[in-house]
Amino acid sequence: KQEVTQIPAALSVPEGENLVLNCSFTDSAIYNLQWFRQDPGKGLTSLLLIQSSQREQTSGRLNASLDKSSGRSTLYIAASQPGDSATYLCAVKTSGSRLTFGEGTQLTVNP
Amino acid sequence: GAGVSQSPSNKVTEKGKDVELRCDPISGHTALYWYRQRLGQGLEFLIYFQGNSAPDKSGLPSDRFSAERTGESVSTLTIQRTQQEDSAVYLCASSLAQRILTDTQYFGPGTRLTVL
Repeated sequence: KQEVTQIPAALSVPEGENLVLNCSFTDSAIYNLQWFRQDPGKGLTSLLLIQSSQREQTSGRLNASLDKSSGRSTLYIAASQPGDSATYLCAVKTSGSRLTFGEGTQLTVNP
Repeated sequence: GAGVSQSPSNKVTEKGKDVELRCDPISGHTALYWYRQRLGQGLEFLIYFQGNSAPDKSGLPSDRFSAERTGESVSTLTIQRTQQEDSAVYLCASSLAQRILTDTQYFGPGTRLTVL
């Protein structure tokens, strides 16, 4: 059974800092890995999707890496802003029908 | 274009009552998913519909939970004889499901269910 773990559970940083969120998964037979953002009272927004054959993806200030063999991914956020405050969820796809999610990292960026 | 919509946004019910939650996927998306998110936790997969194929119900926690989908449109998730542990946010997502490697799910805002 696939299990996804995210560390840390919560993180509070001052504006402008670079930060790293961690995700690990137990079964390396994945199709892809996604990072989502969740704002209170709203649904999830997909940030980055890394296919199983890829090592990283970048979008603006976000960079996600994937080491499938070791079951790890990191989300790097550069020059953090208060608007980045949200819960960040990591999810892996191991079949056509489902994503397995971690419990998330709650990020607070203080002005 | 319109995203995934869900109704109601909030539902408060008494223990033992039945509830019905609705999801309208993005037009043209053949795949539809239901997830449950308990307070402070990640999302748990419940059920998946893909076109006319038999749904994957492997995530439904008990036989009190059921879901239907009409063609490639609206889906309803029904919880019978609700229990307090059913309190959670129920999220619906849809996708094109064209390529498994790159398929992205688009999520609705969720229905917050509170069972008293």
